[in-house]
Amino acid sequence: GQNIDQPTEMTATEGAIVQINCTYQTSGFNGLFWYQQHAGEAPTFLSYNVLDGLEEKGRFSSFLSRSKGYSYLLLKELQMKDSASYLCAVSGSSASKIIFGSGTRLSIRP
Amino acid sequence: EAGVTQSPTHLIKTRGQQATLRCSPISGHTSVYWYQQALGLGLQFLLWYDEGEERNRGNFPPRFSGRQFPNYSSELNVNALELEDSALYLCASSLDVQPREQYFGPGTRLTVT
Repeated sequence: GQNIDQPTEMTATEGAIVQINCTYQTSGFNGLFWYQQHAGEAPTFLSYNVLDGLEEKGRFSSFLSRSKGYSYLLLKELQMKDSASYLCAVSGSSASKIIFGSGTRLSIRP
Repeated sequence: EAGVTQSPTHLIKTRGQQATLRCSPISGHTSVYWYQQALGLGLQFLLWYDEGEERNRGNFPPRFSGRQFPNYSSELNVNALELEDSALYLCASSLDVQPREQYFGPGTRLTVT
């Protein structure tokens, strides 16, 4: 079957670094996405990994290991506005079908 | 450049009725995806349209259907509404058949009473 696991909730301190992990089991692999979703709003695209390694984009970085079925999203210099849900999603053998994890709700405290 | 738009913002229906939700993709995008996000649950893939054809669908009953028009806008129809259909319905578009980036609309909040 297809499955994506990520922690339900995390808490971190403003200015710190947090790593949100995602493990997946899918039939085939065509890329992994991270989205940010603030409460009551639509998700917004953060990153896309299709090859192993680290992709850095400002304060956000995303890592992928295809052999381990593992990814993480790294957020640096946390700001209060980073409080949101972070969704891990995988495009499997059928590129048209993207499977989303349930999301990790990240709370930032001062 | 305008983003993905959806209408209506909110929709209230009673059980057994039909609901029609609409989506306009970003200009130049040919693929439209529909997702359901029930309260407290993750995004569930519903349907994918590209170039006017249904390319794939998720694990939803046939009463969830839709279509894509020549201008690439799309419609999601839900027949015989059930209480558990109450959810946020999100539409996303991407540039082509490879969903490297999907851009989401603001969603339609459907409430079934």
